[in-house]
Amino acid sequence: GAVVSQHPSRVICKSGTSVKIECRSLDFQATTMFWYRQFPKQSLMLMATSNEGSKATYEQGVEKDKFLINHASLTLSTLTVTSAHPEDSSFYICSARLGEETQYFGPGTRLLVL
Amino acid sequence: AQSVTQLGSHVSVSEGALVLLRCNYSSSVPPYLFWYVQYPNQGLQLLLKYTSAATLVKGINGFEAEFKKSETSFHLTKPSAHMSDAAEYFCAVSGGYQKVTFGTGTKLQVIP
Repeated sequence: GAVVSQHPSRVICKSGTSVKIECRSLDFQATTMFWYRQFPKQSLMLMATSNEGSKATYEQGVEKDKFLINHASLTLSTLTVTSAHPEDSSFYICSARLGEETQYFGPGTRLLVL
Repeated sequence: AQSVTQLGSHVSVSEGALVLLRCNYSSSVPPYLFWYVQYPNQGLQLLLKYTSAATLVKGINGFEAEFKKSETSFHLTKPSAHMSDAAEYFCAVSGGYQKVTFGTGTKLQVIP
């Protein structure tokens, strides 16, 4: 149980285009999902907390107009990187919280912006 | 406020030897503590968690961790390392319904 999927697993796009990443909790409902970014050889950096039916809460320094988050249902959150640039290339990981304390993570999405 | 310190960004052990990955935490509320493992180009997999029940927590793949409040520690151990244990390990702390704060990670190398 507690499986989280992400799609796509890898994406390559041209600079200036937008990319949408989906995060789904497959066998449980998640009112709260999280989006992280991970740079090579570093830990996870929380970008935003996604709450079903309400606006996402962004961490300090994360541009909300650039990283659009939508949590339209209890099993799906999406992250859209708008007008992507090479510096947005990274590994993006989502997680979904089950219960009070435990987050289950998706397999990650590798984004490369050319 | 909460934080996690993982001592040692790289740890090398011989196959069959004891694995010990160190984690110290700080939290202003009773903590929930986690160990996650990450294999290259993959997400994080939950190894085990402490949620105020037994202080010795057993997880998957033979790993266990002991919560020591007096030492504010939650070290991860495994009696005998296997080649498949080579990965990055993250310790994390949460106060419940709050953000999870991750340590900087420890890369475990297993030498045959």
